[in-house]
Amino acid sequence: EAGVAQSPRYKIIEKRQSVAFWCNPISGHATLYWYQQILGQGPKLLIQFQNNGVVDDSQLPKDRFSAERLKGVDSTLKIQPAKLEDSAVYLCASSLGLGGTQYFGPGTRLLVL
Amino acid sequence: RKEVEQDPGPFNVPEGATVAFNCTYSNSASQSFFWYRQDCRKEPKLLMSVYSSGNEDGRFTAQLNRASQYISLLIRDSKLSDSATYLCVVNPDTGFQKLVFGTGTRLLVSP
Repeated sequence: EAGVAQSPRYKIIEKRQSVAFWCNPISGHATLYWYQQILGQGPKLLIQFQNNGVVDDSQLPKDRFSAERLKGVDSTLKIQPAKLEDSAVYLCASSLGLGGTQYFGPGTRLLVL
Repeated sequence: RKEVEQDPGPFNVPEGATVAFNCTYSNSASQSFFWYRQDCRKEPKLLMSVYSSGNEDGRFTAQLNRASQYISLLIRDSKLSDSATYLCVVNPDTGFQKLVFGTGTRLLVSP
């Protein structure tokens, strides 16, 4: 069974630029999560979708971050404009449903210069 | 106070040693608990869930003390391949699985 796919794997941008990350969850998984993992810290949940609806985005910095899952399958996370402190690994995870085991993708490493 | 606190380590142990990690959580209403493993530059993977009665999976034993809001992971007969960061994870929400991760404890097993 294919796992969670993410692209790109690495991205380097300058501050104030925009960047987008893509995630394709495991087939049939209704719940999708985006996490931010800063070096030396554990992952922090940014947003959680159930199908194409947002379940929780309380920790998403909405002035610069946005995410969508329009058809209830793959998802994009965007940062506009990026700041130096956004340098992190952005992890996507999916689960069969709410409360299910979460499976993580390989992540996108973002460096903001 | 952080929601989930762990000693970042590193814990340096020789092969064959027994090592224990501890974790405390602040929300007494937390519902479920997990240990995840994260290898260097890789994604986190579920190692095991933690149940009130304690549970064991091979060389790994997890325990939960709700009264003290404390979770532990014991690794017996450490292998080189156990070298990784171990993340303590708590779900504070009854409605759905919103995971709160600790910063992780790094384990280095040497020959």
